[in-house]
Amino acid sequence: AQSVAQPEDQVNVAEGNPLTVKCTYSVSGNPYLFWYVQYPNRGLQFLLKYITGDNLVKGSYGFEAEFNKSQTSFHLKKPSALVSDSALYFCAVRDDSSYKLIFGSGTRLLVRP
Amino acid sequence: GAGVSQSPSNKVTEKGKDVELRCDPISGHTALYWYRQSLGQGLEFLIYFQGNSAPDKSGLPSDRFSAERTGGSVSTLTIQRTQQEDSAVYLCASSLSWSTRGEAFFGQGTRLTVV
Repeated sequence: AQSVAQPEDQVNVAEGNPLTVKCTYSVSGNPYLFWYVQYPNRGLQFLLKYITGDNLVKGSYGFEAEFNKSQTSFHLKKPSALVSDSALYFCAVRDDSSYKLIFGSGTRLLVRP
Repeated sequence: GAGVSQSPSNKVTEKGKDVELRCDPISGHTALYWYRQSLGQGLEFLIYFQGNSAPDKSGLPSDRFSAERTGGSVSTLTIQRTQQEDSAVYLCASSLSWSTRGEAFFGQGTRLTVV
């Protein structure tokens, strides 16, 4: 069975500092991994995905994520946080043999000026 | 259309009534998903479709919930005899048809309030 864990309900960081939002996963086959962002009263927006290839994936708004197979992790990162990055972030996983897409519980990112 | 469209955007209903939520996916997307999001919380998987079939209905919370998809396009999520705990935002998403590698694109959701 697929599962995703986001161990932090909230991450606080000062503007200009690097940020990391954690995600670990479990699938039976090869994982396809995704990050989404949700701003208040808005739908989910796709940020980036890992399918195969380089473990470091770059996405929208300067975000990147690192796939680590041995640790079954896919942490979201950004070198320098902006106040406008404050939002709810979701990690999701799909097994390569199925369309079923499972989301983590979400992590609220708060970037203070 | 350009994106996933959901209707209505807001629905207030009385406890015990039935409601139907509609989702129009992106044209050509054969994978379609329904999720439920309670206030500011995570996404609870409800059901997904590959074409018109639903291989996995395990996420439906009770037998009051059902979903169908016709013509490989529009999907409806029906909640019978609504309860207050059904109040949530119901999100629909669709994904590229040719591969499981494609990201899912989300609609704006239907906010359901049961009073």
